[in-house]
Amino acid sequence: KNQVEQSPQSLIILEGKNCTLQCNYTVSPFSNLRWYKQDTGRGPVSLTIMTFSENTKSNGRYTATLDADTKQSSLHITASQLSDSASYICVVRQTGANNLFFGTGTRLTVIP
Amino acid sequence: NAGVTQTPKFQVLKTGQSMTLQCAQDMNHNSMYWYRQDPGMGLRLIYYSASEGTTDKGEVPNGYNVSRLNKREFSLRLESAAPSQTSVYFCASRDLYNNEQFFGPGTRLTVL
Repeated sequence: KNQVEQSPQSLIILEGKNCTLQCNYTVSPFSNLRWYKQDTGRGPVSLTIMTFSENTKSNGRYTATLDADTKQSSLHITASQLSDSASYICVVRQTGANNLFFGTGTRLTVIP
Repeated sequence: NAGVTQTPKFQVLKTGQSMTLQCAQDMNHNSMYWYRQDPGMGLRLIYYSASEGTTDKGEVPNGYNVSRLNKREFSLRLESAAPSQTSVYFCASRDLYNNEQFFGPGTRLTVL
């Protein structure tokens, strides 16, 4: 069964600290994996995309990794800011036009 | 560019009432999507439209209908609302070049 699981469900960290969010998937055949940030009351916004051949990709303070062999991805946030408080959603695309599989998200709260 | 816009932002309905959620995009994308987002669950696809004039069912289409009015607009209709349709609804359009979906701000619907 094609699934995307994220951990932890929620996370609270102090401003300035780093954190890592996890995404495990069983989707096959794999096309790509995206991390989205969803602010409260808003739609998801893409942070980064990983394809099969990519191991690491950065977008500012966000760094995503992908291990296609173990079907795991992580999103590392460096020097967190209050504005990082949001839900982070892992989305895996299966080869084919409209097959997207969404994780349930990790709710990150950054406190001063 | 406004991106993807949705109206209304909030709506409260009584069981059995009908309503249409509106979505428009100004990015000249061919593909458009309707999702629902419920607590503890990933985004679930209701309907999609790969191009103007075509629509297809997604994972959870029961109780909904859609219309792709033109390339810009894709509406979602609830003919007889039920409490189980209480959710946040997101419209999205897809950039075929990089396969990224762009989401609207969402409509929060409550059915009493």
